Amino acid sequence: QKEVEQNSGPLSVPEGAIASLNCTYSDRGSQSFFWYRQYSGKSPELIMFIYSNGDKEDGRFTAQLNKASQYVSLLIRDSQPSDSATYLCAVAGGTSYGKLTFGQGTILTVHP
Amino acid sequence: DAGVIQSPRHEVTEMGQEVTLRCKPISGHNSLFWYRQTMMRGLELLIYFNNNVPIDDSGMPEDRFSAKMPNASFSTLKIQPSEPRDSAVYFCASSPRWGRNQPQHFGDGTRLSIL
Repeated sequence: QKEVEQNSGPLSVPEGAIASLNCTYSDRGSQSFFWYRQYSGKSPELIMFIYSNGDKEDGRFTAQLNKASQYVSLLIRDSQPSDSATYLCAVAGGTSYGKLTFGQGTILTVHP
Repeated sequence: DAGVIQSPRHEVTEMGQEVTLRCKPISGHNSLFWYRQTMMRGLELLIYFNNNVPIDDSGMPEDRFSAKMPNASFSTLKIQPSEPRDSAVYFCASSPRWGRNQPQHFGDGTRLSIL
């Protein structure tokens, strides 16, 4: 079992819809969770982080964390074509204290 | 504010040659990370430093890979001799401190092609 798993997609949503990206992790001691966006040919860019169970909102983005289910998600409201990218979930803590373990990423396509 | 700066942006060289990748972390950041990204394996952590000291190099694939951080503002990743399977994008990232809550900020990467 991979340490951090994401559906590779591609996930295709129409412009204006809500895009839902999911991530599960295997290390129950994990404590910090990050979402990165990576445009094709570019570097990963941090968009959100969450440490506590529940929801955290930042503009059109909402991160949701459920440690009991070892599940973290990212919702993008009012999706725009400019949101089309690969979204990487990263996990830290537990046995990998200061290291980030990345999932393979989910490709999101927002079509007009 | 300047972000993480990597050089060169692109490197094409022949098999067997020595390759040196360079990284300048964000000023004031104490932790530095080297990653490699390929389609097949995704983003892999190679090695990381805290306060210029290597903490964990278990991700370094072979002895052909080495990394140094002689001071707080400079790090190198060296491959000698290089092989075609080393072709990948190599990213350097830095974070303010060592810890589980510290977000990492990535440089633009070096796209390495070994012929």
